[in-house]
Amino acid sequence: KNQVEQSPQSLIILEGKNCTLQCNYTVSPFSNLRWYKQDTGRGPVSLTIMTFSENTKSNGRYTATLDADTKQSSLHITASQLSDSASYICVVSDYGGATNKLIFGTGTLLAVQP
Amino acid sequence: EAGVAQSPRYKIIEKRQSVAFWCNPISGHATLYWYQQILGQGPKLLIQFQNNGVVDDSQLPKDRFSAERLKGVDSTLKIQPAKLEDSAVYLCASSLDLGTETQYFGPGTRLLVL
Repeated sequence: KNQVEQSPQSLIILEGKNCTLQCNYTVSPFSNLRWYKQDTGRGPVSLTIMTFSENTKSNGRYTATLDADTKQSSLHITASQLSDSASYICVVSDYGGATNKLIFGTGTLLAVQP
Repeated sequence: EAGVAQSPRYKIIEKRQSVAFWCNPISGHATLYWYQQILGQGPKLLIQFQNNGVVDDSQLPKDRFSAERLKGVDSTLKIQPAKLEDSAVYLCASSLDLGTETQYFGPGTRLLVL
């Protein structure tokens, strides 16, 4: 069964600190992995996308890594800001033909405190 | 470029009532998706359209949910009759085409069924 699991479920950190969010998946065939940021009351916004051959991808203070062998990904946030408070969702695509079905994780709720 | 528009943003109804949500995708996007996101969970795909045809509605509770995209642009999602467990955020997303995996999400409609 295609699944995406994320940890931790929630996380509280102080402003300026770094943090790492984890994502494990059992999706086949694998096409790519995205990290989305979802602010409260808004739709998800894509942060990074990685294909099978990519190990790391950065977007400003966000750095995602992918280990396709162990089927694990992480999202590292450097020097956190209050605006980073949001839900971070790992999404894996099993696109292998006519459709691009996305399998969503349940998300990690991050709260950055001053 | 205008994003995905949804309305209403919030809706409160009593169980057994009917409700309809509207979505206007990004101009030129052929593929449109409706997701249900229950609090604390990742989005779950309800239905996917390619132009005005249904590509995937395997997770749509067809006894009470219906959706249409008659002219291949705007779409409506209807629930009739609503149940308490339908309380969720309903997200609309669009992408250029089936093979294009970047999905752009609208702000969602938050439904509360009392």
